[in-house]
Amino acid sequence: ETGVTQSPTHLIKTRGQQVTLRCSSQSGHNTVSWYQQALGQGPQFIFQYYREEENGRGNFPPRFSGLQFPNYSSELNVNALELDDSALYLCASSPWDSGTEAFFGQGTRLTVV
Amino acid sequence: SQQGEEDPQALSIQEGENATMNCSYKTSINNLQWYRQNSGRGLVHLILIRSNEREKHSGRLRVTLDTSKKSSSLLITASRAADTASYFCATDNYGQNFVFGPGTRLSVLP
Repeated sequence: ETGVTQSPTHLIKTRGQQVTLRCSSQSGHNTVSWYQQALGQGPQFIFQYYREEENGRGNFPPRFSGLQFPNYSSELNVNALELDDSALYLCASSPWDSGTEAFFGQGTRLTVV
Repeated sequence: SQQGEEDPQALSIQEGENATMNCSYKTSINNLQWYRQNSGRGLVHLILIRSNEREKHSGRLRVTLDTSKKSSSLLITASRAADTASYFCATDNYGQNFVFGPGTRLSVLP
């Protein structure tokens, strides 16, 4: 158990819809990162939040957006869903200290039909 | 683009044997971490090795790091069926995100 929880665990959406995924970070961790993992691939960095602000972004379009709340929990929002957005979405929490471990949640499996 | 590249892509061994997986990367790093993933679920942190370290042990795991060759290896000794999973290396290149390779799928046969 990492203490990082994600919800929901599974989700099915229709192309063009919007989705919100949620993540509660481990106690004491103020940094949350989101990753997208397509089937058979390694996780790809989407963005990171620290102190409620985006702090780094990977190669993802603006329809991928996020929030971080004062309790350090976070949301990932994806608008105008496309079939290729089908993936496992992983949230990782860590302290703000480059060089420490990041702990991942169990992920949300998103299927876009 | 993915910085880390694990090798081999897939590995099948018998229970009790040792499993070795390798990871290569392209740029200088702050540290390198290994993760395990069972059946497409969340990533489980195994071990972190810093750029100034050469070897670390944790239980049946042994990780080496060669920064001159930009490579790392993960050795699992006396493997068990429960070790069947995908294994990923992730590099932290002084940023705040990790760069993962495509992973090695390990199958441990009883």
